[in-house]
Amino acid sequence: QQQVKQSPQSLIVQKGGISIINCAYENTAFDYFPWYQQFPGKGPALLIAIRPDVSEKKEGRFTISFNKSAKQFSLHIMDSQPGDSATYFCAPRENQFYFGTGTSLTVIP
Amino acid sequence: DAGVTQSPTHLIKTRGQHVTLRCSPISGHKSVSWYQQVLGQGPQFIFQYYEKEERGRGNFPDRFSARQFPNYSSELNVNALLLGDSALYLCASSLQPANTEAFFGQGTRLTVV
Repeated sequence: QQQVKQSPQSLIVQKGGISIINCAYENTAFDYFPWYQQFPGKGPALLIAIRPDVSEKKEGRFTISFNKSAKQFSLHIMDSQPGDSATYFCAPRENQFYFGTGTSLTVIP
Repeated sequence: DAGVTQSPTHLIKTRGQHVTLRCSPISGHKSVSWYQQVLGQGPQFIFQYYEKEERGRGNFPDRFSARQFPNYSSELNVNALLLGDSALYLCASSLQPANTEAFFGQGTRLTVV
């Protein structure tokens, strides 16, 4: 897991604001870059994912930006809602998923 | 359409005991992986199985073992339980070991006392 560094550890955003979570990695063999959302007591749910031949992917309010040369990718949540309050994990994959340490997002109404 | 099913949802065991956790993957998925998530941390890889063969193993002691059945369901076994084994155990299902999305079950919360 030291191969993956996720920041910030926690984030508080006003409703309607933009939430940004970052993930830095070392292993250039990673071939798939997902973000998972996890609510207390539940398993991680796939939110959005990108492959290394694409620099950006948008699905609704969620966008991944991928910078291969910098070995970083980020999750942007537009128009953040209280229902988005959860823990988010980046989990780049080389055969297995290498999860980051998680970001606890709180969206204040 | 059923997602990944894990049983039981919660379990309390005593130190030194043995435990078996079960996972049924999404219909049509042939690859199952197991992860351990300690409270406040990200999940850590334990095993991956595909077509009943072990395809990967994480850095866990030999007390941890797993197998996959012909119907692609899987069991995770942990022997000689330690307090430190208390965690949420997650099963992930995918079509193949690589190049495809993986979907997680809700997990089994194991508490060792």
